Amino acid sequence: SQQGEEDPQALSIQEGENATMNCSYKTSINNLQWYRQNSGRGLVHLILIRSNEREKHSGRLRVTLDTSKKSSSLLITASRAADTASYFCGNTGGFKTIFGAGTRLFVKA
Amino acid sequence: DVKVTQSSRYLVKRTGEKVFLECVQDMDHENMFWYRQDPGLGLRLIYFSYDVKMKEKGDIPEGYSVSREKKERFSLILESASTNQTSMYLCASWADRRSAAQNYGYTFGSGTRLTVV
Repeated sequence: SQQGEEDPQALSIQEGENATMNCSYKTSINNLQWYRQNSGRGLVHLILIRSNEREKHSGRLRVTLDTSKKSSSLLITASRAADTASYFCGNTGGFKTIFGAGTRLFVKA
Repeated sequence: DVKVTQSSRYLVKRTGEKVFLECVQDMDHENMFWYRQDPGLGLRLIYFSYDVKMKEKGDIPEGYSVSREKKERFSLILESASTNQTSMYLCASWADRRSAAQNYGYTFGSGTRLTVV
């Protein structure tokens, strides 16, 4: 399967803590995207990191990419209850994006 | 500020019915996609289109067809709905690779939760 593997499947932390989720693929990574999905809604784009980049920041988000390991990590710093959602990675090549199964993050107030 | 609109949030159809799911985007994006989302399986690509009247099969096209007569509209058709097509359907659009707007990733609609009984 080309589907990305996300780890952990679920994560529960206290508000203020950092949350780290990982994503890996069996195929090479071209451009890696991270999305957030609130319950029962569509996905919202968070950040895109290109294959020639190693790290990218956006506000409280930090994404790293290791193309040799075919993996990426998303770090959310100083988490808030509003960060509770599912997070998906997507490996984009050409016109298509192959998504992972997602990590469910629950941030306790 | 709505950018990708899916015609229905919830839909209940009977087995054997022909079902149309409509998606409209107002961002002038060239690329449009239909995914289905099931627990534990993530998002799986059904069909995509990179231009008007152009369509390409994704990973799970069986039982589905699509139509893109205008740039802004991409329709998913279930020819004869079956219970295993009960799922959340997500439409998305994406700017062309030559556009800087591609850096902003996919824009998804809110989804249509389809139940086939």
